[in-house]
This record gives sequence, structure tokens and C-alpha cells, in this order.
Amino acid sequence: KQEVTQIPAALSVPEGENLVLNCSFTDSAIYNLQWFRQDPGKGLTSLLLIQSSQREQTSGRLNASLDKSSGRSTLYIAASQPGDSATYLCAVEGSQGNLIFGKGTKLSVKP
Amino acid sequence: GAGVSQSPRYKVAKRGQDVALRCDPISGHVSLFWYQQALGQGPEFLTYFQNEAQLDKSGLPSDRFFAERPEGSVSTLKIQRTQQEDSAVYLCASSPGTSGISFTDTQYFGPGTRLTVL
Repeated sequence: KQEVTQIPAALSVPEGENLVLNCSFTDSAIYNLQWFRQDPGKGLTSLLLIQSSQREQTSGRLNASLDKSSGRSTLYIAASQPGDSATYLCAVEGSQGNLIFGKGTKLSVKP
Repeated sequence: GAGVSQSPRYKVAKRGQDVALRCDPISGHVSLFWYQQALGQGPEFLTYFQNEAQLDKSGLPSDRFFAERPEGSVSTLKIQRTQQEDSAVYLCASSPGTSGISFTDTQYFGPGTRLTVL
């Protein structure tokens, strides 16, 4: 059974710092991996999707990498801003297209 | 509409009541997913539709949970005889679903329905 783990559970950084969020999964047979952002009381917003054949994806200040063989992904956020404060969720795609999520990393960026 | 919408946004039910949660996916999206998110946890898969066909319901926690999508657009998640452990946020997501069995489409999530069972 696929399990997704995210470390750390919570992270607090001063504004302007670069930071890395980690995600690991137990079964390397995945179709893709997605990173989402969740703000309190709101749904999930997709940030980046990495297909199984890809190694990384970039969008603005965000860069996500994927190493299927080791079952790991990282989300790199450059020059963090208070508006980046949210919970970041990592999810891998199951065989029917359903997503299997980690518990998330709650990020707080202090001004 | 512009995105996935869900109603109601908040629902309080007494234990034993039946509830119905509605999801309006993005127009034209083939795939629709329901997830349950308990407090402090990541979302967990409940069920999946491709058009009107329910292809996977392996995540439904008990036979008190029932989902339908009769015309391949709007979906309803029904919970019968609600229990306190059903308290959670119920998220709906849709995707174009044009990638065949290997879904590489981004899933678009609604804001969720927060269900509280007293």
C-alpha cells in the first residue's frame, strides 16, 4: 500500500529565506506527483505536477524535483514571502487516478 | 462555472441524521473525485467517477456512504446515519480526464464541505 510522508510537519522561517519541503513515498510505481497548497478554510490549489518521466518542474519561485528510484520529491521555495504561508501537500497518483496525500507541511513565513 | 463548487460549505448534523453533499465540477470535466480530510490530516480518497460511471469506490469507509453522478456532471455524496467519526472536510475534485488510464491531468479542487456531527 502506497504511503506518503512529509517532513517537516511544520516550518517557520523569516521572510526572504529559501526553503525545502520534503516528501517521500513507499511505492516507486507512480504515474505522477503533485504539490498542492491549502489555505485555511479553502480547497487545494495545484502548484506543480511532475510526470513520472520527468525529473523536475519549475513555476516562478517554486521548483519541484522527483527521484522515483529513491521515492523522494522536494519542493524548493526561493525568497519566501509571508503570502507563502499555507499548508503544502504532496500527492502521488494511484492506478485509478486517485491521489494519495501526505499529511502536509504547515509553513509560516514571518515578516 | 470558473471552478469546482461545493454546497453547502458547512453542515452540522446530529448523530444519526442523513446528509447530502453536492459537487459541481468544471464544465466538461470527465473525471470526478471525492476525498475526506480529517483535521490535521491529508485528504483521503473516497470514490472516483468517469462520466456517470463510478469506477472506484474502494475508499468509502462504510456502506453508510453512497455517491452518485447520474448525468455525468453534478455529483452527490450521501452519508446515512451520520456518526461523530464522519466529521471532516469533504473535498471534490475534477479533471479533464483526457489522458486515458494514466491520468496526468491536474485535479481541480473545490473549497470543500465541512461536516460536523454532534
